[in-house]
Amino acid sequence: QKEVEQNSGPLSVPEGAIASLNCTYSDRGSQSFFWYRQYSGKSPELIMFIYSNGDKEDGRFTAQLNKASQYVSLLIRDSQPSDSATYLCAVNIGRTGNQFYFGTGTSLTVIP
Amino acid sequence: GAGVSQSPRYKVAKRGQDVALRCDPISGHVSLFWYQQALGQGPEFLTYFQNEAQLDKSGLPSDRFFAERPEGSVSTLKIQRTQQEDSAVYLCASSRSSHNEQFFGPGTRLTVL
Repeated sequence: QKEVEQNSGPLSVPEGAIASLNCTYSDRGSQSFFWYRQYSGKSPELIMFIYSNGDKEDGRFTAQLNKASQYVSLLIRDSQPSDSATYLCAVNIGRTGNQFYFGTGTSLTVIP
Repeated sequence: GAGVSQSPRYKVAKRGQDVALRCDPISGHVSLFWYQQALGQGPEFLTYFQNEAQLDKSGLPSDRFFAERPEGSVSTLKIQRTQQEDSAVYLCASSRSSHNEQFFGPGTRLTVL
């Protein structure tokens, strides 16, 4: 079992719709959780991080964390074509505190 | 500088050559991470520094890989006797501390022929 798992997609949504991206992780000791966006040929850029159970909103983005179920999700409201990218979930595994595990990423396409 | 910088951006090496990849983190960032990203995959952890100390090198795939950060700022990832399977994008990231969000450099795309 991988430390962090994501559905690789591709996920397609129409412009203006809500895109929902999910991630599960294996280590219950995980402390912090991050969503990165990566455009083709570019490096990952941070979208959001979340440490506590519940929702965290930042503009059109909402991160949701459920430690009991060991999943973290990212909602993108009013999706735009410019949101088309690969979204990477990253988890700081608690046992060392130094290792960040990334999922393989979910490819999102927003159709105009 | 404003962000993490890496050089070179692209490197082509013949199999068996040694290469050195440089990372210049955000000023004041204590933590520095190296990752390897193969096509279609997420970044894979290689090693981690806190200041000049290499606290975790468990992700280095073989003893041909070596990283250093002698003055707690710039870091170099060295790959000796490169093999074709080393072809990937090597990403460097820095953060204020080990648990904080990481900021990535543009990466070095290494191609081993």
